[in-house]
Amino acid sequence: GQSLEQPSEVTAVEGAIVQINCTYQTSGFYGLSWYQQHDGGAPTFLSYNALDGLEETGRFSSFLSRSDSYGYLLLQELQMKDSASYFCAVTGGATNKLIFGTGTLLAVQP
Amino acid sequence: DTEVTQTPKHLVMGMTNKKSLKCEQHMGHRAMYWYKQKAKKPPELMFVYSYEKLSINESVPSRFSPECPNSSLLNLHLHALQPEDSALYLCASSSTGTLAYEQYFGPGTRLTVT
Repeated sequence: GQSLEQPSEVTAVEGAIVQINCTYQTSGFYGLSWYQQHDGGAPTFLSYNALDGLEETGRFSSFLSRSDSYGYLLLQELQMKDSASYFCAVTGGATNKLIFGTGTLLAVQP
Repeated sequence: DTEVTQTPKHLVMGMTNKKSLKCEQHMGHRAMYWYKQKAKKPPELMFVYSYEKLSINESVPSRFSPECPNSSLLNLHLHALQPEDSALYLCASSSTGTLAYEQYFGPGTRLTVT
């Protein structure tokens, strides 16, 4: 089977840096994606890591360690609009479907 | 155009009704997906179409019937639903099935079964 674990909630203040962790167990692994979903909105693709290391996209960075089955999303210079749910997701296994993690609700406070 | 559209936005239906959800994308994507999402939970994959053929059915009850009339359209036909089927139904697309890691989602249809 496949499972992805994330912290359920994280709280941080504006301007701060926050890291959202994701650990996974999958039968077959191609890569780790991150999605953002505002309350009542659609998930939006943020980043993808297929190889070990850090990928940076503006204020957001994503890291992957395949040997540790672990990744994280790093959000810098937090803004109120970053308050949302963040999901890690894996592709792999016998089919190329996307399996989502449990999700982390990020609350950014003034 | 990176937009996936879904209609209707909201739907209330009785357990004996038949209704359909519609999804459309004009990005030339060849893989399309249906997900079900309950409040405070991750999206759960229901179906995957690749090149207009059903490639994955995640053991979804037959009261949900997907259809892909062409490469831009995806429907989900609903019949004899149960109250526990109330959820947000999300459609998504990716350029191909092998690039499933980057999906574009529509705004969803919020379904209430009474």
